[in-house]
Amino acid sequence: EAGVAQSPRYKIIEKRQSVAFWCNPISGHATLYWYQQILGQGPKLLIQFQNNGVVDDSQLPKDRFSAERLKGVDSTLKIQPAKLEDSAVYLCASSQGPSSFFGPGTRLTVL
Amino acid sequence: SQQGEEDPQALSIQEGENATMNCSYKTSINNLQWYRQNSGRGLVHLILIRSNEREKHSGRLRVTLDTSKKSSSLLITASRAADTASYFCATDWGAQKLVFGQGTRLTINP
Repeated sequence: EAGVAQSPRYKIIEKRQSVAFWCNPISGHATLYWYQQILGQGPKLLIQFQNNGVVDDSQLPKDRFSAERLKGVDSTLKIQPAKLEDSAVYLCASSQGPSSFFGPGTRLTVL
Repeated sequence: SQQGEEDPQALSIQEGENATMNCSYKTSINNLQWYRQNSGRGLVHLILIRSNEREKHSGRLRVTLDTSKKSSSLLITASRAADTASYFCATDWGAQKLVFGQGTRLTINP
């Protein structure tokens, strides 16, 4: 069974630039999550989708972050414009039960 | 905040010894899960314990849950070098939404 795929794996941008991350969940998983993990900390949930609807985006900085899940499968997370404090690993996860399966993450560095 | 807190933040032991890490949380939960994260890799689910369970085993892993104290512990027996990683507890208090703690960095010395 293929795991959660994410791309790119690494991204370096300058502040005020835009960036987008892509996630392909495990086939058949209805729930998809985006997490932000700052170095030395645990992952923080940004947004949760159930199929293509948003379940929770209470911790998503909506003035600069946006996410969508087209046709209830793939998802993209966008940051526009990026700030220095957005430097982190962005993890995508999917689930069809209580436990989650995580992708390898995208390491974002904002200079 | 509903976030779990792990203790200790870092743990260094000799190969073959047992490692114990603890997690405390603040509100009622549906279940508590433990994840492992190796350097440069994503999180891997290790074990889930439901709120009506007190102890669970999986291979060399043993998890306990005390809902009255709002705490859990993860025991890794007979540690190996490959167990070197960060370990996170995550609480699910509904809607399959996980809240992660800060993690325990475990180092196994040969």
